[in-house]
Amino acid sequence: QKEVEQNSGPLSVPEGAIASLNCTYSDRGSQSFFWYRQYSGKSPELIMSIYSNGDKEDGRFTAQLNKASQYVSLLIRDSQPSDSATYLCAVNAGNSGYSTLTFGKGTMLLVSP
Amino acid sequence: NAGVMQNPRHLVRRRGQEARLRCSPMKGHSHVYWYRQLPEEGLKFMVYLQKENIIDESGMPKERFSAEFPKEGPSILRIQQVVRGDSAAYFCASSGQGHEKLFFGSGTQLSVL
Repeated sequence: QKEVEQNSGPLSVPEGAIASLNCTYSDRGSQSFFWYRQYSGKSPELIMSIYSNGDKEDGRFTAQLNKASQYVSLLIRDSQPSDSATYLCAVNAGNSGYSTLTFGKGTMLLVSP
Repeated sequence: NAGVMQNPRHLVRRRGQEARLRCSPMKGHSHVYWYRQLPEEGLKFMVYLQKENIIDESGMPKERFSAEFPKEGPSILRIQQVVRGDSAAYFCASSGQGHEKLFFGSGTQLSVL
């Protein structure tokens, strides 16, 4: 069974700090990796995608992928109170040709002013 | 607004009634996915459809649940004879030809009394 594991948190960081969110996955054949942000009572919003080992930066967000360790992370620099949300890690095995993503339960991030 | 549209936003049903959830994909998208999010749980894949075809329903319960995506009109997720355990947020997502990135609708919160 494909699993995606995340620490449920909450992860509390002060405004301006770096928030580090981590995710591990069980299916070694996974090809695509995504981070979604979900505010309470709202829909998931795609914020980052990564497909190859290494780092990918987009504004204040950096996604890191290590396929050998089956590990994905998301760094948020200069954290803002508006970043307070649940962050969902999602993994696509990639062998089906479509996106039946497996999601983790999410990590709640709290950024205090 | 060219985003994924879901309705109703909230749906209340009594045990034994039927629930119908509707989803119109993002403009230009022809792939629809349904996910369910139970309290304190991650998003769980239910079914993937293209126009007039169910491609993968491996995540959908065998009894009482059905989905369709007709040639004209929105995708429908139908739950017959609802039970309290069906209470959840049901999210629809769509993707384009590349499949990789899913964009979610605002969800339907189903409450079964």
